[in-house]
Amino acid sequence: GAVVSQHPSRVICKSGTSVKIECRSLDFQATTMFWYRQFPKQSLMLMATSNEGSKATYEQGVEKDKFLINHASLTLSTLTVTSAHPEDSSFYICSALTGLARSTDTQYFGPGTRLTVL
Amino acid sequence: TQLLKQSPQFLSIQEGENLTVYCNSSSVFSSLQWYRQEPGEGPVLLVTVVTGGEVKKLKRLTFQFGDARKDSSLHITAAQPGDTGLYLCAGDQTGANNLFFGTGTRLTVIP
Repeated sequence: GAVVSQHPSRVICKSGTSVKIECRSLDFQATTMFWYRQFPKQSLMLMATSNEGSKATYEQGVEKDKFLINHASLTLSTLTVTSAHPEDSSFYICSALTGLARSTDTQYFGPGTRLTVL
Repeated sequence: TQLLKQSPQFLSIQEGENLTVYCNSSSVFSSLQWYRQEPGEGPVLLVTVVTGGEVKKLKRLTFQFGDARKDSSLHITAAQPGDTGLYLCAGDQTGANNLFFGTGTRLTVIP
């Protein structure tokens, strides 16, 4: 099946620094990728939808200047958490959408990135 | 807005017992998916149901999509410790470009 990777798997940073998380579709092209955030013992909350070659669409309440998304190619999307603060500590998960016909698409999820901001 | 509510939120049972997890909404979904997520990992797709009333079986797991496509259930027969994890339902609405995830059910199967 389709494989999605994320890098890094864990990152610890100091408050005020920026962190970049990569999401790659390894064996398929993904025109659309999604970024989710998951707090401990909670479900996944969609942050933004990333389309290759265009600006990301952010969900309500997600600061686009703080969470920068770049979908530069059909196999790579990046999420940069700028000026990170402890409240940004979370598990960030990306997913990639296969196919072009929405009714037959399947989202494949990456393994997640655990961000800890000190 | 949380469109999909799962119950129970937490469930701890003995190995060999049966259980059912519910996923309910007031909204209609074109399809509904069930995932299992283990700590520190991404969700893994278990099944997708598309047709109202559809029942799918995956070994000891039985998934049902409600007739009105607003709810779903997951039934596990003779639970095993390996079934332990966070179970998430997620709905796909026509015209929406993303999945709406349920609130999650954390299952612990005690040996």
